[in-house]
Amino acid sequence: DGGITQSPKYLFRKEGQNVTLSCEQNLNHDAMYWYRQDPGQGLRLIYYSQIVNDFQKGDIAEGYSVSREKKESFPLTVTSAQKNPTAFYLCASRSSGAYYNQPQHFGDGTRLSIL
Amino acid sequence: AQSVTQLDSQVPVFEEAPVELRCNYSSSVSVYLFWYVQYPNQGLQLLLKYLSGSTLVKGINGFEAEFNKSQTSFHLRKPSVHISDTAEYFCAVTPYENTGGFKTIFGAGTRLFVKA
Repeated sequence: DGGITQSPKYLFRKEGQNVTLSCEQNLNHDAMYWYRQDPGQGLRLIYYSQIVNDFQKGDIAEGYSVSREKKESFPLTVTSAQKNPTAFYLCASRSSGAYYNQPQHFGDGTRLSIL
Repeated sequence: AQSVTQLDSQVPVFEEAPVELRCNYSSSVSVYLFWYVQYPNQGLQLLLKYLSGSTLVKGINGFEAEFNKSQTSFHLRKPSVHISDTAEYFCAVTPYENTGGFKTIFGAGTRLFVKA
């Protein structure tokens, strides 16, 4: 079955450490997204990519970085510059056919905590 | 710019009772509308979507929603809820035009709690 795989499910970060969250999809979708979810705040967009080797900042990109070297993969790095990284991180993808009327498909998330 | 307001942060309801989760949106352009459900420690799943046509949309698990353009609302309803419907529900909009990668804007969510 096609879908989105996020790993790890739980991740702990030490002070001053960078950590990378993995997101892989086998849906053949061009567009991929990273969201941060905090209680009571819904989903906030961190970065998105519409095509390989291209990505754009979302609403809360500071302290995060991404790459899009392959269509299937869109890893997110939480850098030491992100002072409040504790959150639930969701990766999503969407087909490019009729971009704006297609729903997003989501992975099961990574919960990041500070040690 | 677009915004989505979910009018209730929490909705407690007894099993087999009807429920309505309210969603209002604001946008200067036409939008597509979605409802998603999130179970604990999982990602979001699509419940239903409104693209065009009939304003009453039926989704999975017995949910339906009605688009009201004049009131810019897209309320979600279910005539009889089950314990298994306990989850968080998100209303979302995507604008018709390419304003930055067809970004989807999500509401803050409504936590539905079904009591026995």
